[in-house]
Amino acid sequence: KNEVEQSPQNLTAQEGEFITINCSYSVGISALHWLQQHPGGGIVSLFMLSSGKKKHGRLIATINIQEKHSSLHITASHPRDSAVYICAVTMNRDDKIIFGKGTRLHILP
Amino acid sequence: DAGVIQSPRHEVTEMGQEVTLRCKPISGHNSLFWYRQTMMRGLELLIYFNNNVPIDDSGMPEDRFSAKMPNASFSTLKIQPSEPRDSAVYFCASTWGTSGQSEQYFGPGTRLTVT
Repeated sequence: KNEVEQSPQNLTAQEGEFITINCSYSVGISALHWLQQHPGGGIVSLFMLSSGKKKHGRLIATINIQEKHSSLHITASHPRDSAVYICAVTMNRDDKIIFGKGTRLHILP
Repeated sequence: DAGVIQSPRHEVTEMGQEVTLRCKPISGHNSLFWYRQTMMRGLELLIYFNNNVPIDDSGMPEDRFSAKMPNASFSTLKIQPSEPRDSAVYFCASTWGTSGQSEQYFGPGTRLTVT
């Protein structure tokens, strides 16, 4: 079993829809990261959080440490949001970073 | 700032050849990470440096892989000899701080194909 699990693996939605991507982990962590990888391959860090909630534009990330779960929300989704969204955690025990397999999001115009 | 710079962007080589990937981190950042991304395994941390010192290389697959950071502005990842299973995209990332406690800035990646 992977230590970081994302769901769904693939998501197709219409422009304007509210999007939720989930990340569950099974290890103790000091930080959780959400990354965005566009079709061209470049990776951008969207959020790093260890508690609560962060918001940047139409993107919101939440984390529940007790439940070992994080969500990434996109409001008013747009075709340019089409990308792979990757959850990663920094493990408490050794500071290693481990990654989920990613969620491929496709927003239709 | 130009961001993290990686070269080459694409590399095609034959099995058995030596491959050297290069990375220039963002000026002022003191931690540098090498990652590998494949379809099967996703993103994996290979090694990370803090203040030019390798801190954790447990992700390096085997002795054919080596990484150096001779100074704060340059790092290399070398594969010798290369094998087809090394084909992947290799990313370099840098940050200020230690390990995974800070936001990382990724380079554009080097796509390696070993035939």
